[in-house]
This record gives sequence, structure tokens and C-alpha cells, in this order.
Amino acid sequence: GQSLEQPSEVTAVEGAIVQINCTYQTSGFYGLSWYQQHDGGAPTFLSYNALDGLEETGRFSSFLSRSDSYGYLLLQELQMKDSASYFCAVGGYQKVTFGTGTKLQVIP
Amino acid sequence: NAGVTQTPKFQVLKTGQSMTLQCAQDMNHEYMSWYRQDPGMGLRLIHYSVGAGITDQGEVPNGYNVSRSTTEDFPLRLLSAAPSQTSVYFCASSYSINYEQYFGPGTRLTVT
Repeated sequence: GQSLEQPSEVTAVEGAIVQINCTYQTSGFYGLSWYQQHDGGAPTFLSYNALDGLEETGRFSSFLSRSDSYGYLLLQELQMKDSASYFCAVGGYQKVTFGTGTKLQVIP
Repeated sequence: NAGVTQTPKFQVLKTGQSMTLQCAQDMNHEYMSWYRQDPGMGLRLIHYSVGAGITDQGEVPNGYNVSRSTTEDFPLRLLSAAPSQTSVYFCASSYSINYEQYFGPGTRLTVT
């Protein structure tokens, strides 16, 4: 089976940098994805790591270490609109398993 | 492109009733899936399909049926609704299992 752990809540100041960690246990691993979900909305894709290292997309970066079964999402230059829930998701054989999500609150 | 569409947006059912949640995508994606989201529990996979005519169970399949007769459509059937099925249901599609998943707007279901 697959299981993921991420912090339930994180608070950060506007303009700052925040890192959301995700550790996983899986019997088969194809990649780690990150999704953003605003209250009342649908999840939207942010990034995907299949190999070790850092992927950068604008203000968002995602990192993966397969040997440590660990990844993180890095959000830079935080804006109020970044207040949302962030989910890591592990891709396995024919299935994707989501973590329980990290609620990020950005404060002025 | 409309992307992934879901109907209805809201639904209230009485215990024991049945209904079908509709999901359609116009991106010619082979992989489609249904998730339910409950507070504090993230997204849990109900059923998925890797192509027309092929479906399989996810993490929480009990009480739900699916079929995939076309690439575009992937309906989810609740056989006999129970209060435990009160949730938000999301349909998603992607080019392949580990590619970016596109989510529909969700169906908010209440079973009384």
C-alpha cells in the first residue's frame, strides 16, 4: 500500500518563503506530485517529480529524494492568494494516492 | 475545451436512494478516476479506469459502481445511499496515470 505524511497546517508571512514537507511509504513509486486547492474549489496541478532533484515553476519549486522517500514544495514570495490547501500525491502502478493536505495560511 | 465537467453540482439524497454522478472530459484522456474528499482526509480514490471498457477499484470502492463505455464518460453510481457517503466527489482525468490530473468542479452530496 501507500501512505503519505504532511503537516496539517502552516502559517507564513506575506512575502516570505515556506516549505511544505511530504514523506511517503509506497510499494511502487512512479513520481511525486503537488496540487493546490482553494476552499470550495477543485485541486489544481502544481508540479511533478519523477527523478531526484529540484523542479522550478515560477515562484513554486518541488524537490524529491527517492532514497529518503521525501519531497517538499517550496513557495517563494508568498502572496495572500497562496492561502490554500496543498496536497502531495504519490503515483504508483495504476493508482495515485493523496496525502491529507497542508492548510497554508498567509498573513500580512 | 470544456475540460472535465461534472453534474450535478449539488445533490441531496435520502438513505436508500440511488443516483448517478456524471463525469465527462473532452481531452481524449485515457485515465479517469473518482475521488471523495472528506474534511481532514484528503482525496481518497474510489474507482479508476485506464481506458474504455477497463475499470478497477481504488481505496474506498464499497457502495459505488462505475462503467466506462466511451473514452469521454465515466459515471459513478451510488447503489443505495448511506449517510456515510455524504462527501464532495471529484472526477479527474489525465493522459496517463502519473501525468497531471485535471479535476472537475466537484459534486457536493448530502445523504440524510
